[in-house]
Amino acid sequence: DIQMTQSPSSLSASVGDRVTITCQASQDISNYLNWYQQKPGKAPKLLIYDASNLETGVPSRFSASGSGTDFTFTISSLQPEDIATYYCQQYDNLLTFGGGTKVEIK
Amino acid sequence: QVQLVESGGGVVQPGGSLRLSCAASGFTFSTYGMHWVRQAPGKGLEWVAFIRYDGSNKYYADSVKGRVTISRDNSKKMLYLQMNSLRGEDTAVYYCANGAAAGYWGQGTLVTVSS
Repeated sequence: DIQMTQSPSSLSASVGDRVTITCQASQDISNYLNWYQQKPGKAPKLLIYDASNLETGVPSRFSASGSGTDFTFTISSLQPEDIATYYCQQYDNLLTFGGGTKVEIK
Repeated sequence: QVQLVESGGGVVQPGGSLRLSCAASGFTFSTYGMHWVRQAPGKGLEWVAFIRYDGSNKYYADSVKGRVTISRDNSKKMLYLQMNSLRGEDTAVYYCANGAAAGYWGQGTLVTVSS
């Protein structure tokens, strides 16, 4: 089974700050990685697919990169509406999710 | 647009059974594999099961293997999850998601296992 290690588990940042989340796979998953945003009481929303491609309609302040085992997700300028939990997810072999990163405003 | 609507959740006693349904629209259902993913209250996301586009292969998480069956009816554009021998740790919101990459998700249906 592929394990996904996501860090940090939570972070607090100011509006306008750059925020970075990392995700490491236990084996090479090429670029078979998604990033999701989940707000309380809502289903996860796909932000990034294939490791670095922005889903249609998602603001350009969201970006991601990586391949193989190491991946990074960035919010270039944190906005109040970005308060949520973010998950990475591999789909190279079925699905595995990272543990999530809860993003809060300082 | 893609729509996935789950139903069938509710309160069930430990050891009981429940069948969840997922109605699909807005894409060619018969050509997409489908997942069930769950989220326990206050916890992260856990993959539960996957079925190939034609139902030929099914895969399950170890935590539910032997107690859960995923199935589909392509003529009705429906996905199902039959859950038996339910336990407290099965309490969660259950989501269906389309495609091997799980690009689109439904809004979820809550299953509560409690006496």
